[in-house]
Amino acid sequence: QSALTQPASVSGSPGQSITFSCTGTSSDVGSYNLVSWYQHYPGKAPKLMIFEVSKRPSGVSNRFSGSKSGNTASLTISGLQAEDEADYYCCSYAGAYSNVLFGGGTKLTVL
Amino acid sequence: QLQLQESGPGLVKPSETLSLTCTVSGGSISTGSYWWAWIRQPPGTGLEWIGSIFYSGSTYYAPSLESRVTISVDTSKNQFSLILNSVTAADTAVYHCARQVGYGSSSFDDWGQGTLVTVSS
Repeated sequence: QSALTQPASVSGSPGQSITFSCTGTSSDVGSYNLVSWYQHYPGKAPKLMIFEVSKRPSGVSNRFSGSKSGNTASLTISGLQAEDEADYYCCSYAGAYSNVLFGGGTKLTVL
Repeated sequence: QLQLQESGPGLVKPSETLSLTCTVSGGSISTGSYWWAWIRQPPGTGLEWIGSIFYSGSTYYAPSLESRVTISVDTSKNQFSLILNSVTAADTAVYHCARQVGYGSSSFDDWGQGTLVTVSS
């Protein structure tokens, strides 16, 4: 099964809100509320930012929020900060055959 | 504070076997709530889940890699390991180990920093 589809890059200015998309199919994103999002600085360990579509782990800023509509999940960062510049990956459970799928990642540039 | 650390050779020859170990500290690998996973990132591309193991030894793997992958666990050493057979250049990647919050979960809440494995003669 193919990876989830994410735009390669997005950019925004400090203070803005920005939304990342993650498009799957009715076999993965569309079927399960098991989408998560990760923030990844190159050379570091990825960090879980959102799980089960819209839940935030303890310690993650409430500037990060998640949602889902149909086969597309979204991550929104409000009040963009320079420190948010990183790669962001979505991930979804994809059923008993494919199990777990990641997206190709989106590079966020803070202008 | 849970910590995961990958270890193993950084260079593997084509057609040979890649072998990595993840050592877990700051918590027990035998905690019933969690699975333990291997995830990789080839250069310039996204993350790819390889497979996961429960402390009892139950496993499940990505279909694209299942024929070449074995994940095992050693609870006495608080470690789990990855073996990938018949490697090619396409297996060159940074390999991460991670803690997975339940079977079938897409939530990996603790990760190792990753180790680069290059497949080259």
